[in-house]
Amino acid sequence: EDKVVQSPLSLVVHEGDTVTLNCSYEVTNFRSLLWYKQEKKAPTFLFMLTSSGIEKKSGRLSSILDKKELFSILNITATQTGDSAIYLCAVRGSNYKVTFGKGTLLTVNP
Amino acid sequence: NAGVTQTPKFQVLKTGQSMTLQCAQDMNHEYMSWYRQDPGMGLRLIHYSVGAGITDQGEVPNGYNVSRSTTEDFPLRLLSAAPSQTSVYFCASSYQDGEQFFGPGTRLTVL
Repeated sequence: EDKVVQSPLSLVVHEGDTVTLNCSYEVTNFRSLLWYKQEKKAPTFLFMLTSSGIEKKSGRLSSILDKKELFSILNITATQTGDSAIYLCAVRGSNYKVTFGKGTLLTVNP
Repeated sequence: NAGVTQTPKFQVLKTGQSMTLQCAQDMNHEYMSWYRQDPGMGLRLIHYSVGAGITDQGEVPNGYNVSRSTTEDFPLRLLSAAPSQTSVYFCASSYQDGEQFFGPGTRLTVL
């Protein structure tokens, strides 16, 4: 069975801090890894990673995948209160099935 | 494009009642899926479909049925609702190797 483990499960930081969120996985026939941000409503897409070692970047957020060690990290620099959310990691494997982890609850205090 | 739509937004059921949660997408996506979200549990996959006429079980399929007669629609049926099915339900769709787009969710309470 496909498995995605995120750590930490929750994190409290101050504005301006840099955070690193972790995602490790076990999946049959890995196709891609996806990161989502969820505030009060439905998850919104951040990144999709398919190749090892290539960093995806969008503003203060960046992510990288290590297919050999089966993990990914999501970095957020210069955090703002608007970054407070649940960050979800998911992997797509056999038959295009997408499995999510439990998420990391990030709280950014002013 | 309306994207992914779900109805209803809220629903209250009594134990033993049945109902169907509707999901539709207008992006011609092959892949559609249903998740439930409970506090601290992330998104758990209930059922998914890789195309019309093809469905498969996810990690928590018991008590739910699905069908995929068209590319656009992927309804989720609760056969006999139980309090353990109280949750927020999300439908999502994507191209087979693309990002998933989520519907707005249905908040279901079973009394």
